[in-house]
Order: sequence, then structure tokens, then C-alpha cells
Amino acid sequence: DIVMTQTPLSSPVTLGQPASISCRSSQSLVHSDGNTYLSWLQQRPGQPPRLLIYKISNRFSGVPDRFSGSGAGTDFTLKISRVEAEDVGVYYCMQATQFPRTFGPGTKVDIK
Amino acid sequence: EVQLVESGGGLVQPGRSLRLSCTASGFTFGDYAMSWFRQAPGKGLEWVGFIRSKAYGGTTEYAASVKGRFTISRDDSKSIAYLQMNSLKTEDTAVYYCTRDPINGSGSYIPDYWGQGTLVTVSS
Repeated sequence: DIVMTQTPLSSPVTLGQPASISCRSSQSLVHSDGNTYLSWLQQRPGQPPRLLIYKISNRFSGVPDRFSGSGAGTDFTLKISRVEAEDVGVYYCMQATQFPRTFGPGTKVDIK
Repeated sequence: EVQLVESGGGLVQPGRSLRLSCTASGFTFGDYAMSWFRQAPGKGLEWVGFIRSKAYGGTTEYAASVKGRFTISRDDSKSIAYLQMNSLKTEDTAVYYCTRDPINGSGSYIPDYWGQGTLVTVSS
């Protein structure tokens, strides 16, 4: 199974300041079709997960452009350009390149 | 508007069975694969299983932790995906979510929309 790790596990941020979360996979996430199926999900307190980014850098429908994703191979990053109060929650990276789908442990983002 | 509504959760004793439903609306259900995920209280996300659309054989994949105990099926006429859970264990206690999984490229599927979840508690 592909093991996903995330750093940091907790990220206190100041409103209006940027935040960055790293995700690393134990093996390359490049699929045989040439795509890299790395997604980022947001889970606000008491809410189900919500897809933010898919295939490394594509924002899902309705996701604000302050969220961006980058990376390749085994190393990926989610950036929030200017954190807003509604961004508080836990962020997970997830690989869908192969079964079983696996997640990082989550990064808790809260406001300082 | 895409909507996924899970139901069927509740309190069940270890060793018993439970069937969850995921009722979909707002899209052509039969054209999509579907997945189930779960989240134990205070823990992270775990993938449970997946079912392809009939056009791709309707075949399934399962996590090792549930293989042989859980079965995913679908009724395209009702736009419902099911998760049949047998031989339940206390460690199966979790909120269970279903997702819509559109195929992407020529190979994989990306869960996009998530339901609100249904809580399953396995306890004596």
C-alpha cells in the first residue's frame, strides 16, 4: 500500500497570512495513464470532507482561488494564499492512483 | 445539484450485520463509480471500498480490513449504492461516507462529491 505522510500535523496561522501543507507518498503517484491522482480534501469541524484539489493542481468546482496545489512524483504541496476564518479545519491529501486509496494523517489548521 | 444521502446507520452488536444505503440525485447515477469511506471517532479518513459503473463491469474493490465481510452493490434503477456489512467488529465503529467517483483519463477515478455520512456504532 502507498503510505501518505503530511507535515506539519498542526498549523496555527494568522488571518490573512499564507499557509502551506506538505504531503509525501511512499512511491510515485504517476499512473500508467500519465496522470498523477493526488487530491486535497478539507474537513471543517462537524462537516464531511470536501474535495478542494484533484490531480495535483486542479481546483474543484466552487473552490476559491486562494487554494492552490503543486508538486510531482512523490512530493506535493497545498497552499492557502491568505487564510480566512472559514478555512479552519483538517486538510488531508489522498492518492487515487492505485487501490487501496490512502490518506495522509491530516493537518489541523486553526487561527492563532 | 449533486446530492448523496447516506442512511441505515445505528447501534449494532458485534458479529451482527447492517446495510447502509447511499441515495444519489442530481446526476446520472448509472454513469458513475461510487465509493465508501469511513472515519472512526476523532480519527482520520479510511477508504472502505469501491464499485465501478455497469459500463465498466460493475466490479468492486475492498480494503483489506473489510474484505470478505463487507459487500458493495448498486441499484441503478433506484440511484442507490449499498454497503452490506457483516460480522461487524467494534473497530468498524465510524461515520460512513459515500462518494461519487467520476472516471478520469483512461485509468483512475477521483472521488468528488461526498455525502453527509451516517454513524455506525458497534457495541454490546
